[in-house]
Amino acid sequence: ETGVTQTPRHLVMGMTNKKSLKCEQHLGHNAMYWYKQSAKKPLELMFVYSLEERVENNSVPSRFSPECPNSSHLFLHLHTLQPEDSALYLCASSQAQGRGGNTIYFGEGSWLTVV
Amino acid sequence: GQNIDQPTEMTATEGAIVQINCTYQTSGFNGLFWYQQHAGEAPTFLSYNVLDGLEEKGRFSSFLSRSKGYSYLLLKELQMKDSASYLCAPMDSNYQLIWGAGTKLIIKP
Repeated sequence: ETGVTQTPRHLVMGMTNKKSLKCEQHLGHNAMYWYKQSAKKPLELMFVYSLEERVENNSVPSRFSPECPNSSHLFLHLHTLQPEDSALYLCASSQAQGRGGNTIYFGEGSWLTVV
Repeated sequence: GQNIDQPTEMTATEGAIVQINCTYQTSGFNGLFWYQQHAGEAPTFLSYNVLDGLEEKGRFSSFLSRSKGYSYLLLKELQMKDSASYLCAPMDSNYQLIWGAGTKLIIKP
């Protein structure tokens, strides 16, 4: 138990579907992150929210849409995805974004398969 | 550009010692993290180094040389449960973590 909870753990969706990934952190942190992890590739930072404001968007396609309603919750809305989007999506949180030494804590991840 | 280099895979024997090396090139530097990730699970924090030298934490130690852009993770008294991927991640001048692809460590009895 890392204090960061992601649902669903596994998701299979068609290319025309709309689905959402949910993340909740119970650590009192004020920064939250979405990462993509593909097999044998480095973690890719997708989005960063600090104090509920998006501070980073690393050229992610618009078919991925994040939402951060408060400092404890983060969503990733998915629509018209492509098979190459199949990956492990990791949510993470930290005490403050933009500070050295602030450890990032990860959720268990959501395995996404696009068919 | 920014780059992380660590071995793709290593094999070691239960009870032995293994050293996982990481070299990095980043735009600025604000410390380096090591994470452990078991297959199908979340990465978990192992260590953080910001100054040169060795940080020891139980069976795990991490070393940093900023001038050489080099770090290593040392695992002693290896146990089967140490079979996992080990991720090296320096933090750049923008406080962004730059991730390596990880080293898959296989422990054999």
